[in-house]
Amino acid sequence: AQRVTQPEKLLSVFKGAPVELKCNYSYSGSPELFWYVQYSRQRLQLLLRHISRESIKGFTADLNKGETSFHLKKPFAQEEDSAMYYCALSPLGGGFKTIFGAGTRLFVKA
Amino acid sequence: GAGVSQSPRYKVAKRGQDVALRCDPISGHVSLFWYQQALGQGPEFLTYFQNEAQLDKSGLPSDRFFAERPEGSVSTLKIQRTQQEDSAVYLCASSLAQGSNTGELFFGEGSRLTVL
Repeated sequence: AQRVTQPEKLLSVFKGAPVELKCNYSYSGSPELFWYVQYSRQRLQLLLRHISRESIKGFTADLNKGETSFHLKKPFAQEEDSAMYYCALSPLGGGFKTIFGAGTRLFVKA
Repeated sequence: GAGVSQSPRYKVAKRGQDVALRCDPISGHVSLFWYQQALGQGPEFLTYFQNEAQLDKSGLPSDRFFAERPEGSVSTLKIQRTQQEDSAVYLCASSLAQGSNTGELFFGEGSRLTVL
């Protein structure tokens, strides 16, 4: 069965500090992994996907198949990064169901 | 339209009432998804359409939940005889991708249902 686990409900860091939002997944096949973000009063939107291998707003995420993890990292957090972050998984090569984790609220303090 | 549009944004229903939630996806998006998001939880998959075909309804919690997309565009999620546990935000998402993988989902603002 597919499962996405985000162990932290809330993560609070100071501005300028590094941040890492953890995501572990369970899936027997080849997954596509995503990070979605929801800023205050905005709709859920894609932040990045592992296939693109790009850095968005300073965030990066590396898919580690050995550890079945897809942690989201940023070296220097900004106040505007405060939001709800969801890790998500979709089966590659056939399958339509994107499964989401429970989310981590990131709070960046001034 | 500019994005996925959902209506109503807020709905209060008495227990036992039927409700209908509408989703207008981005024009040209083949795939359409419904998710249920309870307070403090992530979105939970309900059902998926590719054009007018409902290809996966494994996430619908009971036979009181029904979704349709008759012309492959607008979709309606209907909940019959609402119960308090149905209270949640119902999210609709659409995607250009089809076939081999889901691709990026574009979400609406959601319909918040409160059942009294």
